[in-house]
Amino acid sequence: EVQLVESGGGLVQPGGSLRLSCAASGFTFSSYWMSWVRQAPGKGLEWVANIKQDGSEKYYVDSVKGRFTISRDNAKNSLYLQMNSLRAEDTAVYYCARDYYGSGKDVWGKGTTVTVSS
Amino acid sequence: SYVLTQPPSVSVAPGKTARITCGGNNIGSKSVHWYQQKPGQAPVLVIYYDSDRPSGIPERFSGSNSGNTATLTISRVEAGDEADYYCQVWDSSSDSFGGGTKLTVL
Repeated sequence: EVQLVESGGGLVQPGGSLRLSCAASGFTFSSYWMSWVRQAPGKGLEWVANIKQDGSEKYYVDSVKGRFTISRDNAKNSLYLQMNSLRAEDTAVYYCARDYYGSGKDVWGKGTTVTVSS
Repeated sequence: SYVLTQPPSVSVAPGKTARITCGGNNIGSKSVHWYQQKPGQAPVLVIYYDSDRPSGIPERFSGSNSGNTATLTISRVEAGDEADYYCQVWDSSSDSFGGGTKLTVL
């Protein structure tokens, strides 16, 4: 079964850091671009970042540039999001998603919740 | 980033046709993907490349894209179609989502 499972969310103070992980199974992880997408409480979807199959290309939404870093370990079938200098507006459910060759994001995890609050 | 504009809400009676629009500058020249999201669940891809359906998505779901507007059409609407719908485009090394449309089945 094709599956993505996120972990690492939690409560963190403003200015703090958190590292999210996404474990992939049921498909050849190294063959796909991967993305992080977030959804603030009661709000719409917001793309955060994505990464090419070999990690050589990475793109970010402007609001997280310089604070978040996307990475992957193809040997471990895992995607990561290192989040530093967190702000209240980063509070959201963070989803890991598979990018199907430019045809949209065809597999999504259930999400992990990040809350930034003092 | 590329701006996508969706109506906040659309209402339709069961059995009728719902049309959800997604506006963007010359969006007809881009590939548009559509997602359905039900409360408490992750999004599900329902249309890709403007009008293609992933396996498992009913034929009632269709899409079109021309000029400055892309449209998701749901025929013979069912109660189970009630959800939020989002359009998405990849442009200039950035993904963009529309603000979402809440489909209410009356």
